[in-house]
Amino acid sequence: KAGVTQTPRYLIKTRGQQVTLSCSPISGHRSVSWYQQTPGQGLQFLFEYFSETQRNKGNFPGRFSGRQFSNSRSEMNVSTLELGDSALYLCASSRASGVYNEQFFGPGTRLTVL
Amino acid sequence: QQQVKQSPQSLIVQKGGISIINCAYENTAFDYFPWYQQFPGKGPALLIAIRPDVSEKKEGRFTISFNKSAKQFSLHIMDSQPGDSATYFCAARKGGGADGLTFGKGTHLIIQP
Repeated sequence: KAGVTQTPRYLIKTRGQQVTLSCSPISGHRSVSWYQQTPGQGLQFLFEYFSETQRNKGNFPGRFSGRQFSNSRSEMNVSTLELGDSALYLCASSRASGVYNEQFFGPGTRLTVL
Repeated sequence: QQQVKQSPQSLIVQKGGISIINCAYENTAFDYFPWYQQFPGKGPALLIAIRPDVSEKKEGRFTISFNKSAKQFSLHIMDSQPGDSATYFCAARKGGGADGLTFGKGTHLIIQP
């Protein structure tokens, strides 16, 4: 069974631009969560989608948004990029939403903002 | 405010030894405590997880010890091997699944041959 895939794997953008990252969950998984990983802040929860609805959102500004499609694939968008948005963005999928559902992480998209 | 505190930041253990990583939390709403292992260039992978109604869980060489009254939990890696060299993260999640996983800052573990 294929794992979580994320595209692109690497991305370089400049300040003020916007970016869209894509995540394909494991087949049969309906929940997708996004996390930001930086050396300073560590791993931080961005948001979770289940059945095309945003279920939870972390403490991030409105520049960070996402959506989920009917096939459970998800995208996240960051508008008006800032230098501090440089990070590894990780997508995780699980069969369902809920505290005990194991989350399987993808390899991440490395975003560099210049 | 760091809700899950992890220590040590880095750890060096000899091959065959026991690696111990500790985490502490404040929020009693946390109801699920997983540990993740991350290799360079990869996403985190679930190692083992525990619920607060259990004091210990063992899977192979990996054991979680959980102390609900002290709000602490730890990961023990028995017979540590060079292939265990990675970054380890403890995490916690609130009952109901709200807010996603809250992670500790990570422990960089090196197993010396």
